[in-house]
Amino acid sequence: GQQLNQSPQSMFIQEGEDVSMNCTSSSIFNTWLWYKQDPGEGPVLLIALYKAGELTSNGRLTAQFGITRKDSFLNISASIPSDVGIYFCAGYPTPSSNTGKLIFGQGTTLQVKP
Amino acid sequence: DTAVSQTPKYLVTQMGNDKSIKCEQNLGHDTMYWYKQDSKKFLKIMFSYNNKELIINETVPNRFSPKSPDKAHLNLHINSLELGDSAVYFCASSHGSGASNSPLHFGNGTRLTVT
Repeated sequence: GQQLNQSPQSMFIQEGEDVSMNCTSSSIFNTWLWYKQDPGEGPVLLIALYKAGELTSNGRLTAQFGITRKDSFLNISASIPSDVGIYFCAGYPTPSSNTGKLIFGQGTTLQVKP
Repeated sequence: DTAVSQTPKYLVTQMGNDKSIKCEQNLGHDTMYWYKQDSKKFLKIMFSYNNKELIINETVPNRFSPKSPDKAHLNLHINSLELGDSAVYFCASSHGSGASNSPLHFGNGTRLTVT
């Protein structure tokens, strides 16, 4: 079945640094979503991408839908301690999009040192 | 005012017992889901319902039976609990039909521990 390979698996950075993580697949996806999960809570949507090449920002977060439709990246600029958490990419694959089955990457655990 | 709420937050029970997890959403969404998050944090879909109709049923044991009394509720009943069922179970909902590629809105999870 479709898989999303998310990297890196974990990051430990200094406050103020920029962060980049990405997601790749061997299949084409027609929607890419980025979520953040805090401890003890459910994933919360950060950014949604619907078109190849689309670049979208949400505050210090920027995400892009790859031109090949097989990848996406998320950047966080000037990280702060509250950015700590697990970041998930997720996507709806094509041509199986009519199943409504949202596939998740393995997650990137981000730790920020003040 | 929680959008997707599930109860209980924590559930500790012994092997062989039967338990239920309840989920309600007040977003007016038509589609609801159950996801399982394992100890490595991997999220995997179990079921989805669109307007009370089962749409997705991933290879989940028959011991797991979802029930949707109306489109705002999707409960999960688990029979004969096993140690391997220990995980965090997330309810989610989305706008439109299962084919709409809409983002999912998640509840805060139910941590199930089977001893």
